[in-house]
Amino acid sequence: DAKTTQPPSMDCAEGRAANLPCNHSTISGNEYVYWYRQIHSQGPQYIIHGLKNNETNEMASLIITEDRKSSTLILPHATLRDTAVYYCIGGRRTGNQFYFGTGTSLTVIP
Amino acid sequence: DAGVTQSPTHLIKTRGQQVTLRCSPKSGHDTVSWYQQALGQGPQFIFQYYEEEERQRGNFPDRFSGHQFPNYSSELNVNALLLGDSALYLCASSLGSGGRSTYGYTFGSGTRLTVV
Repeated sequence: DAKTTQPPSMDCAEGRAANLPCNHSTISGNEYVYWYRQIHSQGPQYIIHGLKNNETNEMASLIITEDRKSSTLILPHATLRDTAVYYCIGGRRTGNQFYFGTGTSLTVIP
Repeated sequence: DAGVTQSPTHLIKTRGQQVTLRCSPKSGHDTVSWYQQALGQGPQFIFQYYEEEERQRGNFPDRFSGHQFPNYSSELNVNALLLGDSALYLCASSLGSGGRSTYGYTFGSGTRLTVV
């Protein structure tokens, strides 16, 4: 599974877009990029995943570079409830073990 | 549709004791994985159960063992508890170790274990 690198912390003003970067230069061709977030003392929550193409759902957008070595999670209009630790994970679409790093702690500021 | 259910939510044990944590997977899921999350760290993979067998294991000692039942629910057992075993234990379910899951894992809210 791909090793990922994320900044340890970020701030974002409420109502603005939050852009969370992730480097996954060792990702292989069949590995997806998954994003999860964890609000304090809860279990991680699925946000979005993608392989090659950009993806969008009701929570966020995922932009994957053409060489697949990095991606950006975009929360279009951050709210205070989006304050959480965000994990970027490279993994096969097989339910196999995920390797979590320490993630990015996002703080949304009023 | 019930998600992943874990019990108990909190637990305090004494060093040297044994503990059993329980997990019911999301409806329709057949694979259960367990993760340990120490304070300030990301979750670390312990093991995964599919078809009532341990399929994969992370870097955890034999004191950590598990079981999966025919109804896909699972238990995590930890023997000879150490102070360092204090952590949030997360159960995650998915569909098929062989991979038809679109969303990877669905996680429970965890069991907070404190060893004193």
